[in-house]
Amino acid sequence: GQQLNQSPQSMFIQEGEDVSMNCTSSSIFNTWLWYKQDPGEGPVLLIALYKAGELTSNGRLTAQFGITRKDSFLNISASIPSDVGIYFCAGQGSGTASKLTFGTGTRLQVTL
Amino acid sequence: NAGVTQTPKFRILKIGQSMTLQCTQDMNHNYMYWYRQDPGMGLKLIYYSVGAGITDKGEVPNGYNVSRSTTEDFPLRLELAAPSQTSVYFCASASGSSTGELFFGEGSRLTVL
Repeated sequence: GQQLNQSPQSMFIQEGEDVSMNCTSSSIFNTWLWYKQDPGEGPVLLIALYKAGELTSNGRLTAQFGITRKDSFLNISASIPSDVGIYFCAGQGSGTASKLTFGTGTRLQVTL
Repeated sequence: NAGVTQTPKFRILKIGQSMTLQCTQDMNHNYMYWYRQDPGMGLKLIYYSVGAGITDKGEVPNGYNVSRSTTEDFPLRLELAAPSQTSVYFCASASGSSTGELFFGEGSRLTVL
C-alpha cells in the first residue's frame, strides 16, 4: 500500500516554542489533511488542503500543500500545554470513496 | 449530537474467540470506515462502505468481516481472534463530499491473549 513518511516521530519542546513537522509520500495526493489525536480519543481534523501550493491557517496552526503534491507541512506557533498529542498527516487520492492514507504520526510533548 | 459511537471501549479475547465491534453514526453519512491503530504505525484501513449494502476491502482486511445493512451501522466482526489483532480499532464516517473530513469514534481497545 501507499506509504506516508512523517517526521519527526516525536518532539519534546518547551511551552512557547514553535513546532514544525512534515509528511512525504511516494504517490501524489489530491487532498492533504492534518489530524490531532488526544489520549484515549479518536483523531480530529485540524486543517485540510485542496490545492498544490496552498497555505492555510487555523489559529496558531499553519499547513502547506507541497508543490509536487507529494508532501505537506504543519507548523504550530507558540505551543501551549494543550497542544500535547499525536499529529497525523493524511492523504486522499482521487475517486477513493474519501479513503485516507495516514502517516505514522508525530508525538508532541510540551514542557512548561 | 452523538456523532460516531463505538462499543465496547475495551475487550480482552482468548485466541480463537469471536466478537463484533459495533459502530453507529447519527450524521446520516454514506461513507463509513474501520481503521486499526498499532503503536508507531499510524492508522491502517481494514474495510470501508460507501452506502448500505456496499462494502469493500481496505489495506488490511484479513481476519475481519463487515456488513452494512443500514446507513447508521457498520459492525466489524473478528471470527477467530489472533494475537496479531491486538490493536485499537477506530470507526469513522464521512458525508462523501470532497472535503475529505472523516469523523472518528473514540476507539475500541482489543487485546487477544
